Amino acid sequence: EAGVAQSPRYKIIEKRQSVAFWCNPISGHATLYWYQQILGQGPKLLIQFQNNGVVDDSQLPKDRFSAERLKGVDSTLKIQPAKLEDSAVYLCASSFSSGSYNEQFFGPGTRLTVL
Amino acid sequence: DAKTTQPPSMDCAEGRAANLPCNHSTISGNEYVYWYRQIHSQGPQYIIHGLKNNETNEMASLIITEDRKSSTLILPHATLRDTAVYYCIVPVGDYGGSQGNLIFGKGTKLSVKP
Repeated sequence: EAGVAQSPRYKIIEKRQSVAFWCNPISGHATLYWYQQILGQGPKLLIQFQNNGVVDDSQLPKDRFSAERLKGVDSTLKIQPAKLEDSAVYLCASSFSSGSYNEQFFGPGTRLTVL
Repeated sequence: DAKTTQPPSMDCAEGRAANLPCNHSTISGNEYVYWYRQIHSQGPQYIIHGLKNNETNEMASLIITEDRKSSTLILPHATLRDTAVYYCIVPVGDYGGSQGNLIFGKGTKLSVKP
């Protein structure tokens, strides 16, 4: 079974530039998550989708971050404009359905460096 | 905020059992305890979860105290590949596992040494 795919794996940008990350979840998984992991900390949930609808985006900094999941499959996370404090690993995860009872499968992440 | 507390780091000799403790003194009666781990440069990986009874799978065993205020993850024969950060999680707003999101703390960094 193919896992969660993410691209790019690494990205270096300057502050105030824009960046986008792509995620392809495991086939058949209705729920998709984006997490931000700052060095030395655990992952923090940014947004959760159920199919193509947003379930929880309470931790998403909406003035600069946006995410979409068109057609309920692939998803993109965008930062515009980036700040130095956005340097982190951005993890995408998917699960068969919502709720913590459903095991979340994580991708390898995209490491973003903002200079 | 995370509802669990874990030691920041632990060492274990290769081939020995690794026992990772977790305190969750404010856990409610229908809240589950989950364990994930994160190997360096990879995304987190699910290990096991439980409610009241002890649980075992091919990766680990989970021992939950009778008052459910603490638990221990046991890796019976640790290998070098088990070196990782281990997260103990009680999901926020979790009602019997049917909802609730994973809130990761800083976890325990387990170092398995030859």
